[in-house]
Amino acid sequence: DTAVSQTPKYLVTQMGNDKSIKCEQNLGHDTMYWYKQDSKKFLKIMFSYNNKELIINETVPNRFSPKSPDKAHLNLHINSLELGDSAVYFCASRTQSITEAFFGQGTRLTVV
Amino acid sequence: KQEVTQIPAALSVPEGENLVLNCSFTDSAIYNLQWFRQDPGKGLTSLLLIQSSQREQTSGRLNASLDKSSGRSTLYIAASQPGDSATYLCAVDNNDMRFGAGTRLTVKP
Repeated sequence: DTAVSQTPKYLVTQMGNDKSIKCEQNLGHDTMYWYKQDSKKFLKIMFSYNNKELIINETVPNRFSPKSPDKAHLNLHINSLELGDSAVYFCASRTQSITEAFFGQGTRLTVV
Repeated sequence: KQEVTQIPAALSVPEGENLVLNCSFTDSAIYNLQWFRQDPGKGLTSLLLIQSSQREQTSGRLNASLDKSSGRSTLYIAASQPGDSATYLCAVDNNDMRFGAGTRLTVKP
């Protein structure tokens, strides 16, 4: 069974659309993350979230919003997509600051 | 704000060589440090996790060390193989995980 799974794996959409990427973990972890990996392959944290606190990276536009229906899921919703949003988005989970982190396989988002 | 730097950015070695990858960070108040590898077009695979109270961790041909006071970690790969070719990333945990830009390793047969 996949520990951290993301859907879809690929997403091609037009500018201005709203889209969501789903993430689920079956590890019982209490903390989940979203990262953006740009064309230069640098991984930048967007959000970290546990059942107590949402920490938002100050550079993330408010068009991006995480939504967590329960501890096992942290979905990423993006409004009014822009060309610069094209990247690979990774979800990860861990038990905060204790265990190793596990990453999903990534979602390659292309905005045209 | 934590800044993480990895040196070198790229490294090419012949098969069989031992090599060292470096990671430095600016804020030593960390909980732990984790090394990952990323193959092209793939996700991240965890290699080693070093808690802040530990000095090193070993897994097979990999050994990672941590010196919190100087803000440094090294990943030592013994007897490198072509299958080790990948990008190696270190992530430092100060309550969230921040990554370096990675070292792209190529091991030539």
